[in-house]
Amino acid sequence: GAGVSQSPSNKVTEKGKDVELRCDPISGHTALYWYRQSLGQGLEFLIYFQGNSAPDKSGLPSDRFSAERTGGSVSTLTIQRTQQEDSAVYLCASSLTSGGGATDTQYFGPGTRLTVL
Amino acid sequence: QQQVKQSPQSLIVQKGGISIINCAYENTAFDYFPWYQQFPGKGPALLIAIRPDVSEKKEGRFTISFNKSAKQFSLHIMDSQPGDSATYFCAASDDDKIIFGKGTRLHILP
Repeated sequence: GAGVSQSPSNKVTEKGKDVELRCDPISGHTALYWYRQSLGQGLEFLIYFQGNSAPDKSGLPSDRFSAERTGGSVSTLTIQRTQQEDSAVYLCASSLTSGGGATDTQYFGPGTRLTVL
Repeated sequence: QQQVKQSPQSLIVQKGGISIINCAYENTAFDYFPWYQQFPGKGPALLIAIRPDVSEKKEGRFTISFNKSAKQFSLHIMDSQPGDSATYFCAASDDDKIIFGKGTRLHILP
């Protein structure tokens, strides 16, 4: 079966523009995570979905960031009025069971590299 | 309470040597400790994981050592190979949350 896919793989945008990043999780995986990876900063947790609901939005850095998940599958991360500090690789991961991050292996997509000029 | 501290930030090891990466956590509620391996341009992938009921887990050349009292765990890569060159992330999790370390960039010299 296919792994987690993300699109686009690269996105270059101008400061102030809105961007949408898409994640297609592994079929049947109920949990979905978004992370941001900046150089030397590791994996910064952004948001976690269980089905279509987001019990943990604590990592979203500002109200310019939002995410949704429809049909318990595809998720979209939207960044409004992008800033240069938003430049990073945005990673999506999915896991099989209904629990939190605990014992469920997370399967990561290849990421979307966002560059804000 | 929620931090996972990982060291070193970068590591260079000769081929055939032992690579050691260390992590420390604070929250005693964490009960699952995975290591992820990331190659350039790829997402991280689970390498090996341990629960605190054992002090060591070995899979091939990769070993996790776990010290519950010290709240520390480490990854040992025996007979390191150039193909092991990657970024390694430790993590700690409980039922609600997973926290990643900042990563170690490992380079194995041929």
